[in-house]
Amino acid sequence: RKEVEQDPGPFNVPEGATVAFNCTYSNSASQSFFWYRQDCRKEPKLLMSVYSSGNEDGRFTAQLNRASQYISLLIRDSKLSDSATYLCVPYRGSTLGRLYFGRGTQLTVWP
Amino acid sequence: NAGVTQTPKFRILKIGQSMTLQCTQDMNHNYMYWYRQDPGMGLKLIYYSVGAGITDKGEVPNGYNVSRSTTEDFPLRLELAAPSQTSVYFCASMASYNEQFFGPGTRLTVL
Repeated sequence: RKEVEQDPGPFNVPEGATVAFNCTYSNSASQSFFWYRQDCRKEPKLLMSVYSSGNEDGRFTAQLNRASQYISLLIRDSKLSDSATYLCVPYRGSTLGRLYFGRGTQLTVWP
Repeated sequence: NAGVTQTPKFRILKIGQSMTLQCTQDMNHNYMYWYRQDPGMGLKLIYYSVGAGITDKGEVPNGYNVSRSTTEDFPLRLELAAPSQTSVYFCASMASYNEQFFGPGTRLTVL
């Protein structure tokens, strides 16, 4: 079973829409989670960290369900600049910082 | 601070040639990582290091070598380039609190 699985999309939404991505992870020992965004042909950049049940930062909300082993990312009031690939990354302290990246979910926001 | 820098940005190699991808970070991070990303795929860990003088293999180490003589530098060596090594290579570094910072990447083509 893969370490992390995401719907690759693409998700195509109009500006102003609300969109949600889900991510499932296989290792219940995962302690924290990161959402990275990656623009086309660029490096990944950290969007949000999740250490407990969830986190909110402006238009972005992440929610963690440890019992079902999934984490979601909600984007409200989508902007054109939100178009990117979103990577869900679980982390275990025992792995010396090794992160397991899935293929991510591709989002396109159209005007 | 420059963060994580990588050179070169682009390179074309012939089969069997060798090269070194350079990575430098100025954040005094102990942990450093090399990933490769093939088109439409997630990042795969090649090698990582938890400090100067200490390196270990990731998921896809074959065909690559690394060294870590200083905290700042973590070069990746390709000895006998093969077409399967055509990819984008990202270097990353991390302090102790889990966010990884990525360099801008090196786009390598092997013909």
